[in-house]
Amino acid sequence: NAGVMQNPRHLVRRRGQEARLRCSPMKGHSHVYWYRQLPEEGLKFMVYLQKENIIDESGMPKERFSAEFPKEGPSILRIQQVVRGDSAAYFCASSPGQLFTEAFFGQGTRLTVV
Amino acid sequence: KQEVTQIPAALSVPEGENLVLNCSFTDSAIYNLQWFRQDPGKGLTSLLLIQSSQREQTSGRLNASLDKSSGRSTLYIAASQPGDSATYLCAVFRGGGADGLTFGKGTHLIIQP
Repeated sequence: NAGVMQNPRHLVRRRGQEARLRCSPMKGHSHVYWYRQLPEEGLKFMVYLQKENIIDESGMPKERFSAEFPKEGPSILRIQQVVRGDSAAYFCASSPGQLFTEAFFGQGTRLTVV
Repeated sequence: KQEVTQIPAALSVPEGENLVLNCSFTDSAIYNLQWFRQDPGKGLTSLLLIQSSQREQTSGRLNASLDKSSGRSTLYIAASQPGDSATYLCAVFRGGGADGLTFGKGTHLIIQP
């Protein structure tokens, strides 16, 4: 059973470009969480999704950021018109979705905006 | 708003020592607490999960305790080894399908050979 898979592992974008980060949850997991880790900061919750539904996006910046988890395929975190402040490590976690369950994290995507 | 604090921020000890990492949280209404390990440039590895109804969990040389009423958890590492060097993160889950995990900033641990 493969773990949570994120790609790409490293992504470089110029200011103003779009960044697309992908996350494939563990097999059997239908709940996905995205977190951001800024340099010298702790991980911060961004968004919680189930298949085809955004459950909680309270941690997501209001502009330029969006997330989806389609019926088929990976979850996508999309950042439009990237700025230098978006440079961070973005982590995805998945769980079976029940209460009291353990969250499993991917290796992260390290986004660098130049 | 839930806040998680980890003390100390950094710790360096000789190999073989037993050590304790501390985690405190402001809102005791949690469903579970999870300890993770993060190696430089890598992802998070789950170490221990403690449900709110539990007092402690053990895995090998690791033991985590939870005092929900006082908002505290400790991670005890016995007979430390250089391979234990990493950043240790504490995170609480409020549950109810909202917010995900709230993380502390971590304790950066170095075990000297």
